[in-house]
This record gives sequence, structure tokens and C-alpha cells, in this order.
Amino acid sequence: EVQLVQSGAEVKKPGESLKISCQGSAYTFSNSWIAWVRHVPDKGLEWMGIIAPDDSDTQYSPSFHGRVTISADKSINSAYLQWSTLEASDTAMYYCSSRPRDVSVGPYFDFWGQGTLVTVSS
Amino acid sequence: DVVLTQSPVSLPVIVGQPASIFCRSNEGLVFSDGNIYLNWFQQRPGQSPRRLIYKVSSRDSGVPDRFSGSGSGTYFTLKISRVEAEDVGIYYCSQGTRWPWTFGQGTKVEIK
Repeated sequence: EVQLVQSGAEVKKPGESLKISCQGSAYTFSNSWIAWVRHVPDKGLEWMGIIAPDDSDTQYSPSFHGRVTISADKSINSAYLQWSTLEASDTAMYYCSSRPRDVSVGPYFDFWGQGTLVTVSS
Repeated sequence: DVVLTQSPVSLPVIVGQPASIFCRSNEGLVFSDGNIYLNWFQQRPGQSPRRLIYKVSSRDSGVPDRFSGSGSGTYFTLKISRVEAEDVGIYYCSQGTRWPWTFGQGTKVEIK
């Protein structure tokens, strides 16, 4: 069963804006962190930021702070990653993932979306 | 940021043989609750990452028991007891103890 579903691939020009989405369920969004991860081939994976949809508590990795905005709408179990001004260097696959906020005791889930490929080219 | 350094970067393996991937942290990863949030992920070609191991040594549901994790302090290991062809991909260690969470640079496992 697919737990997180991401929006489709995007092709944009430098300077354009973009908002991609990640939709889950109450199970994956309540009491959870939703994370965004960037994957550039040959550069590996990078955690960009996390948001708790319950209270919109958001934390950004310093590498991405000010470059992207992470938001969520708890009412529809959706999270978003947006850029106001895209650059060619933003070309990458972007994944969302979900895990509980409290992981101190016992096993805990870790779900990933299928990824959204963003291509920025003139 | 916590820096995770993996070795080797590339790991050619023979099917049926064991393989080990190492992950070293530049600082301790014990969280205030006493847990070490060191995870291992597998990313097969064209697929999303999949967590194999969490909290150093706990195996995720559905993960074959040929995968095991160990370690303490700043040194951690992912071991595959007998490599199978389906294990080809890139393996990443990741820490969730301190924000920002970080990944190692990855180890590419390929069949000889």
C-alpha cells in the first residue's frame, strides 16, 4: 500500500516558481515529521527540512534555509515544497518521507514517496 | 552539522559472499533519551530510498535477516551476510540525533 504520493515531474525555466506536493493519510501525517530530501545523482541524498503538520513546526537545514519554503495542510494530509526563484542547480529528484515525532520507544515507521523529478533548464 | 563518512565508496561483491559497509561520525550520536538514531538506507536504481536498519541495529519489517547493523560511539557497520543480486544499489547511513539530520556520502554496491 502506497503511503505517500507525490506530484508529477516538472520542467521549469530558471527564475520561475514551483510548488510540489506530498499527500499521505492521517496515519502518516498525525504526530509525524514530514521531511523533504534532495537527490542529485553522484551527489547523494540531503535532508532539506522537516515539518510537523500538527502544529507547523518547521526546521530547515542551513544548506536550504532561505532557498525553499516547506508548508503543510493538516486538513488534507498534504505537505509542500516550494521555490520562488528556481535555478538550474535545483535540478534533482525530491522525495518526501514520514516518521513519527516520538521515536524514543520501540519500532517506528519510515515511509517515502515515489519522488518528484524537477528539471530546471532554459 | 554532523558529518558521516562512509567507506568504501564503491564495493564490488561476489554473490553469496559477505560484505560490510562502514560509517564514521565526527561526533557522538547519543540523543538525550539514550538512543542512537543511526539508520541505514538502501536505494536501488530508479527507486526511492528504503530504510533497512534503525537505531543502529533494529531491522525493519520485511528486511531480509542477511542485513544486520552494529556499532557504538562514532563507528557503525552494515553487514550483508551473503550478498544477493537484488542487493545492488547505493547504501547510505544517516543520523537523526541532531538537526540537521545528515546522510553519509553513500556506498555503491555492485556485483563482480
